[in-house]
Amino acid sequence: GIQVEQSPPDLILQEGANSTLRCNFSDSVNNLQWFHQNPWGQLINLFYIPSGTKQNGRLSATTVATERYSLLYISSSQTTDSGVYFCAVAGAQETSGSRLTFGEGTQLTVNP
Amino acid sequence: DTEVTQTPKHLVMGMTNKKSLKCEQHMGHRAMYWYKQKAKKPPELMFVYSYEKLSINESVPSRFSPECPNSSLLNLHLHALQPEDSALYLCASSQAGTGYGYTFGSGTRLTVV
Repeated sequence: GIQVEQSPPDLILQEGANSTLRCNFSDSVNNLQWFHQNPWGQLINLFYIPSGTKQNGRLSATTVATERYSLLYISSSQTTDSGVYFCAVAGAQETSGSRLTFGEGTQLTVNP
Repeated sequence: DTEVTQTPKHLVMGMTNKKSLKCEQHMGHRAMYWYKQKAKKPPELMFVYSYEKLSINESVPSRFSPECPNSSLLNLHLHALQPEDSALYLCASSQAGTGYGYTFGSGTRLTVV
C-alpha cells in the first residue's frame, strides 16, 4: 500500500512563530487531506488538497503531486494550534478517495 | 460542535459483553467510516460504507461487526472483545467517490476489562 511520511515528528514553537510541516507519499494520490487532532482527540479537517495551493486564515497548504509531497504552513502560531497534525492520502490506484492512509503525524507544541 | 455525532463518548465493557457504538451524520454524505486509534498512533481504517453498502473491510476480526441501517446512521457492534481492543473509535463521513469533506466525530473511548 501507499506509504506516508511526515516530518518533523515533534516541533516546539514560541507563540507567534511560523512553521512548515511536510508530508511525503510513495505513489500518486487521488485524495490528500490535512487534519489537526486537538489534545481532546477531536480531528478537524484543515484542507482537502490532492494538488495545488489553498489558504485558510493563518494556515495554508501546497501539494506538488508530481513530486509526491505536501506542505502545511502555519503562520503566527497560537497556543490553540497545539496538537497533532496528520497528513492522510488515498492512492490513485484506489477506485475512490475514501481509503485514507494516515502518516504518523507531527506533534506541535506552541508555548506562550 | 462536530456534525458527526458519536455515542457513547466513553464505554467500559467486559470481555463477555455485547455493546454497540453509534454514529449519526446529517450532511448528506454517502460514505461513512469506522477508524480505530491507539494512543500516540494515527487512526487506522477499519470499515468503509459507500451508499449504505460495505465496500472496504480492512481484515478486521469478526468480533467487530459494522451495520449501516440508512444513509445517516452507522453502528459498530462489539462482542467478545480483548483488552488490546481498548482504543478510541472514530466515525467519519464524506462525499462518496472523492472523499471530499471528511468529517470526524469526537470518538468513543473504549476500555475492555
